[in-house]
Amino acid sequence: QKEVEQNSGPLSVPEGAIASLNCTYSDRGSQSFFWYRQYSGKSPELIMFIYSNGDKEDGRFTAQLNKASQYVSLLIRDSQPSDSATYLCAVSTSGGSNYKLTFGKGTLLTVNP
Amino acid sequence: GAVVSQHPSRVICKSGTSVKIECRSLDFQATTMFWYRQFPKKSLMLMATSNEGSKATYEQGVEKDKFLINHASLTLSTLTVTSAHPEDSSFYICSATPIQNTGELFFGEGSRLTVL
Repeated sequence: QKEVEQNSGPLSVPEGAIASLNCTYSDRGSQSFFWYRQYSGKSPELIMFIYSNGDKEDGRFTAQLNKASQYVSLLIRDSQPSDSATYLCAVSTSGGSNYKLTFGKGTLLTVNP
Repeated sequence: GAVVSQHPSRVICKSGTSVKIECRSLDFQATTMFWYRQFPKKSLMLMATSNEGSKATYEQGVEKDKFLINHASLTLSTLTVTSAHPEDSSFYICSATPIQNTGELFFGEGSRLTVL
């Protein structure tokens, strides 16, 4: 059974600090990895996706993937109160157009002003 | 980014009635749409994969006769919760991948169903 594990938190960081969110997955065949942000009562919005080992940076966000360790992380630099949300890690083993995602339970991040 | 619209955003119904939720891709065509359910403080659970012009593929444990999915066109999929009960109260979210296969999955705004 495919599983995606995240620390549920809450993770609390001060404004301006780096927030580090972690995720592990069980299926070694996983190919695509996604980070979504979900505000309370809203649907998820895509932050980043990563396919290859290493780091991928986009603005204040950096995704890190280590397939050997089956580990993916998201770093948020210069954290802002508006970053406070639940961050969902999602993994897909499918390519092509059938992006069937398995989601973790999410990590609640609170950025304190 | 691409826009996926869901309607209604909130619905309250009596136990035993049926509720239809629409999911539309507004500015792209989607051969595949996915329906998720999310209970409070829980993660998204995939219910079914909806393919245009064919029957939906349901995940294990999801009753296909209770959750009817129709994907009649490349821009519209519907989920009908039949004979709804209070335990069906949840946040239902659809998502879609563009036919061009950009590698992204776009989510609708979600529909909160409350069954009294």
